[in-house]
Amino acid sequence: GNSVTQMEGPVTLSEEAFLTINCTYTATGYPSLFWYVQYPGEGLQLLLKATKADDKGSNKGFEATYRKETTSFHLEKGSVQVSDSAVYFCALTFTLNSGGSNYKLTFGKGTLLTVNP
Amino acid sequence: SQTIHQWPATLVQPVGSPLSLECTVEGTSNPNLYWYRQAAGRGLQLLFYSVGIGQISSEVPQNLSASRPQDRQFILSSKKLLLSDSGFYLCAWDRQVGYEQYFGPGTRLTVT
Repeated sequence: GNSVTQMEGPVTLSEEAFLTINCTYTATGYPSLFWYVQYPGEGLQLLLKATKADDKGSNKGFEATYRKETTSFHLEKGSVQVSDSAVYFCALTFTLNSGGSNYKLTFGKGTLLTVNP
Repeated sequence: SQTIHQWPATLVQPVGSPLSLECTVEGTSNPNLYWYRQAAGRGLQLLFYSVGIGQISSEVPQNLSASRPQDRQFILSSKKLLLSDSGFYLCAWDRQVGYEQYFGPGTRLTVT
């Protein structure tokens, strides 16, 4: 089945540090890939996405590139802020045409990021 | 624009009591709807999804049930809550399977 593996947290950084959160996936075929962010006590918000190999998703200074050869979608930000403190989820899904149970949005377990001033 | 609402925001219920959580979506029609549960310190577990009125699929057998009485309304229920039902319940929607989902603010359920 499909699965997503994220680096174990928590991750603690100082403001303006460089961030990388690793995400690798296992899937048959070519899924769409997402990063979601969850701020304390809130629901999930879509941060960025990529739908095909070599696509780069970007938003709010965060970037992730869909690497088919390494089945990865690592999240990066050049300079984090205190306001980036949240839980980050990597996820994948397939379009309906893929059939089977691939419709599901499969999540990683989440990585807690804490940014200190 | 589309918005998704969930209520209540928080709920404390005794073991064995019933449950009803509601989710509504505005600004779109015929959305796919989803219920997830997030246990403390863990990832998301898909509980139910619906592609239309009255159409419910269950992902995990348990003492919860879901219903979709109207196009943009999704309800999560239980006749008798268990301690293990505690968690953060999230409703989500999407326009088409395989695309990004949009999540509600969630309901924090504590079963005592």
